[in-house]
Order: sequence, then structure tokens, then C-alpha cells
Amino acid sequence: AQSVAQPEDQVNVAEGNPLTVKCTYSVSGNPYLFWYVQYPNRGLQFLLKYITGDNLVKGSYGFEAEFNKSQTSFHLKKPSALVSDSALYFCAVRDMGSARQLTFGSGTQLTVLP
Amino acid sequence: DTGVSQNPRHKITKRGQNVTFRCDPISEHNRLYWYRQTLGQGPEFLTYFQNEAQLEKSRLLSDRFSAERPKGSFSTLEIQRTEQGDSAMYLCASSSSGGSSGANVLTFGAGSRLTVL
Repeated sequence: AQSVAQPEDQVNVAEGNPLTVKCTYSVSGNPYLFWYVQYPNRGLQFLLKYITGDNLVKGSYGFEAEFNKSQTSFHLKKPSALVSDSALYFCAVRDMGSARQLTFGSGTQLTVLP
Repeated sequence: DTGVSQNPRHKITKRGQNVTFRCDPISEHNRLYWYRQTLGQGPEFLTYFQNEAQLEKSRLLSDRFSAERPKGSFSTLEIQRTEQGDSAMYLCASSSSGGSSGANVLTFGAGSRLTVL
């Protein structure tokens, strides 16, 4: 079975400071990893993915994530947070070798304070 | 293409009634997914189609739930004899398959919010 853990329900950061949203995963094989963002009353929007290759993945809106196989982590980062980054962030995983559906974490509410 | 479209956006119904949600995926996407999201939780997988074939169903999909994708284009999700526990946001997503750079990336619709009174 595949699973995702987002250990922080809420992350607060001041505008202009770096932000990190944590994610750890568990799969039986090699993972496909994703970050999605959800704004109020909106669907989930894709930010970035790791399939293979470089462990540092760059995505939309200046976000990046680092795949760490030994720690089974895929933390989302941004060097300088914006107030408009405030939203609900979801990490998701799919086992490359088996089920086609994504398993999502419970989400982390990011609040960027002006 | 305007993305994944879901209708209705909101549905309020009384317990015991049947409801149906429709999803129109991105036209060139052959994979279609249904997820359910409750407040404070991440989306939970319900079912998955490749073209018109329903390939996976979650244990969450009880006998009261049925999904179809008759021509491999739009899909419907029907809930019969609704219960208060069915109240949630029902999300549809689509994706392409094969070796394209967009493969594996799910594009989500805005969702259909169900409230069962």
C-alpha cells in the first residue's frame, strides 16, 4: 500500500522569508511524487512532480521540491514567500509499478503573513 | 479547451434521494478519475477509467455509488439513497497516458459539493 504523511497541519511564515512544507511517503516500489495547491472553492492545481532524474524539481510560481530517497521525503520549498502563496498544499504519491491512482496527504495550510 | 468541467457545482438534497454528477474531462485525455474530499482531508480515490473501461474501484465506493463513462468522454457519478455521510466535495480529474510529459499529471475540475440534509 502507498501512503503520504504531511506532519504539519498549519505552517505560518512571514512574507519574504523562505518556506518549507514537509512530506514523507511510503511505497513498495519507485515513487512518482506530486505537489498540488488548492485555493478556496477551487480545484487542485498541479505545482510540480518528481518522476526520475534530478532530485531537485522546479515547478510553477517559483516552488521547488527535493526528493530524498533515503529519508523518503519530498519537501516543498520556496526561497521567498508571497502573501498570495497562502493556500492548502497537498503532497501525493503513486507507486510507479502498481496502482495508477494517486494517494494524497491530509494537506498543510500555508499562511504567509504580510 | 477550458479544462475539466464539473456540474453541478453545488447540490443540496434530502437523505434518501439520488444525485448524479457529471464530469467533462480535457478532450484529449483518455484517463478519468473520481475523488472525494471531506473538510480537512486530502482527496480520497474513488474510481478510475481508461477510455470507457472502469479499471479500478476503491473500497469507499459502496453499492450505492456507480460511475460510468459510456463513450470514453464525459463521466457520471451517481449516488443512490444518499446518506448524511455522503456530504463531501466530489472531484473529477483527467490525464493523458503514454510517454508524454503530461502523463501522470492529473488535471482537476473545481468539484461538485454535495450536502445531504
